[in-house]
Amino acid sequence: QVQLVQSGAEVKKPGASVKVSCKASGYTFTGYYMHWVRQAPGQGLEWMGWINPNSGDTHYAQKFQGRVTMTRDTSISTAYMELSRLRSDDTAVYYCAREDICSSTSCYLDYWGQGTLVTVSS
Amino acid sequence: EIVLTQSPGTLSLSPGERATLSCRASQSVSSSYLAWYQQKPGQAPRLLIYGASTRATGIPDRFSGSGSGTDFTLTISRLEPEDFAVYYCQQYGTSPRTFGQGTNVEIK
Repeated sequence: QVQLVQSGAEVKKPGASVKVSCKASGYTFTGYYMHWVRQAPGQGLEWMGWINPNSGDTHYAQKFQGRVTMTRDTSISTAYMELSRLRSDDTAVYYCAREDICSSTSCYLDYWGQGTLVTVSS
Repeated sequence: EIVLTQSPGTLSLSPGERATLSCRASQSVSSSYLAWYQQKPGQAPRLLIYGASTRATGIPDRFSGSGSGTDFTLTISRLEPEDFAVYYCQQYGTSPRTFGQGTNVEIK
């Protein structure tokens, strides 16, 4: 069965960076795009971008351009999301989510990781 | 970017009642690339509906989606206790892949 298992909670100071991992199992890791979505406390979902694990190509939401880097290690079927220059309003739960394969160029998110809480506080 | 506006913000209903949730887009959503997700407290979102009207694997048939263009609806025909949660719509036809702000379906 498809599983996405994320790394544990992090506490960071403003200005630092955080790197969250997402280990995939139960399917061919390089066959599906991986997205990252975050959710601030008590708030809605915010899409951050995606990575193509096969090629390493990425596409980021404009809001996060220059601060976010999505990478992958195909040898261990793991995707990473690194966010730099952290601010207090980056405090959120960060989710990885797999994009299913549709006949068109884009598709919905069918499996989600359990989430990683990142707290930014001095 | 496409802005998705969900209404109402909160829906207070009793088990057994019908729930109708709306998602309105600021511009047409291409090819009905509209999904609905359910989220319960402390859990990750779960895919319910994709392509505006197709139920995801394992989703009960009391959940149905409809709509096209800029107006979409999620209907829960008879609410079960486990259906009280927050529901989000998302468009995946255009980047950035935006979400609505959510509708909280709460027990009356």
